[in-house]
Amino acid sequence: DTGVSQDPRHKITKRGQNVTFRCDPISEHNRLYWYRQTLGQGPEFLTYFQNEAQLEKSRLLSDRFSAERPKGSFSTLEIQRTEQGDSAMYLCASSVTQMTGRMNTEAFFGQGTRLTVV
Amino acid sequence: QQPVQSPQAVILREGEDAVINCSSSKALYSVHWYRQKHGEAPVFLMILLKGGEQKGHEKISASFNEKKQQSSLYLTASQLSYSGTYFCGTASGGYQKVTFGTGTKLQVIP
Repeated sequence: DTGVSQDPRHKITKRGQNVTFRCDPISEHNRLYWYRQTLGQGPEFLTYFQNEAQLEKSRLLSDRFSAERPKGSFSTLEIQRTEQGDSAMYLCASSVTQMTGRMNTEAFFGQGTRLTVV
Repeated sequence: QQPVQSPQAVILREGEDAVINCSSSKALYSVHWYRQKHGEAPVFLMILLKGGEQKGHEKISASFNEKKQQSSLYLTASQLSYSGTYFCGTASGGYQKVTFGTGTKLQVIP
């Protein structure tokens, strides 16, 4: 399968625990996004990477959230000391952003990781 | 800033047409349209770039008014499979992040 892959698909954790999610983008996609989506809302931007560089992190994101993309391939999103308000679907998307010509092309989403904090 | 979509919800009968609008308070470089069915990931429909280039679905069309910072998605001769929530995403520059609107819930009934 050459689509965006996210793992795990579902995660139930107790409040205060740390969780880590993984995203494997489409091969050769140099841009990778993390979004969070709650019921009835659009995907809310969290952070994005161009290759291994984290270009922007949402100001709404607390210090409990951290993301990495070592070597510009897969990415991980970690949430420390989870709270009930962190319960949501966490979506990863990847795209190709070219330095010349057609930039900012379409992004393809993974199936998401549904986090439930109890 | 999050783009604003309208309407928030619409119900159509099969074969009817619909228009979904997306507007931004910022100058736009690109507009991205996605459809999401319940419990599934958003699926890419169309991208429109400043300057007129676009790429997308065969049966769905869209417009992009750069001056008004608006885009519209046109769904013609709707089918049951068109049901879902439609999101527009906008980027203000070629290298900028894509920010999504709150969505338009579309239901097509027989």
